[in-house]
Amino acid sequence: GAGVSQSPSNKVTEKGKDVELRCDPISGHTALYWYRQSLGQGLEFLIYFQGNSAPDKSGLPSDRFSAERTGGSVSTLTIQRTQQEDSAVYLCASSSRTGPSGAFFGQGTRLTVV
Amino acid sequence: GENVEQHPSTLSVQEGDSAVIKCTYSDSASNYFPWYKQELGKRPQLIIDIRSNVGEKKDQRIAVTLNKTAKHFSLHITETQPEDSAVYFCAASIGNQFYFGTGTSLTVIP
Repeated sequence: GAGVSQSPSNKVTEKGKDVELRCDPISGHTALYWYRQSLGQGLEFLIYFQGNSAPDKSGLPSDRFSAERTGGSVSTLTIQRTQQEDSAVYLCASSSRTGPSGAFFGQGTRLTVV
Repeated sequence: GENVEQHPSTLSVQEGDSAVIKCTYSDSASNYFPWYKQELGKRPQLIIDIRSNVGEKKDQRIAVTLNKTAKHFSLHITETQPEDSAVYFCAASIGNQFYFGTGTSLTVIP
């Protein structure tokens, strides 16, 4: 597809379970970002991948959160032992490295921890 | 690191009036400034951007201005319409890293 694709669109999980969220960036985009957005709030930066460089993990809120990007394309955000405060929309975005350009967002995964 | 501040957090205007949202940034190395519009329940979408070598850019009813000396940039929406109601985010970029403002909830009153 032409845009950033995220799956699943919605995820309901029980407290304590692990979840995996997937992001397919725009083809050719070398930069990939994960953000978290709680209801009515702003964009909370989580992690940033740029090509083969070490990711910027400075936004991950705890060691229960991790992310990887395989082959410089698809990324997976994993949340272990989910807590109710993890409930939010998780947004992925990608950007081209060739000159400054905007980041393009996926539709997000709405995570609800019950 | 970069710090982006955005004001106001909420803004209500009458249909047809103008709306202005202002952002400041702290790192003079920032060289790209996109603006995003997020409608309720939807993804943020890029609506306009400006690079550091440009002072102003306009696209129909929206325009962005950049003052590098003062490190601030603004979004201007003229002749507002109800469909302009949304949350708007500014951002400053260094390299490929983006730093977002906290958002402005704009309501256009018919």
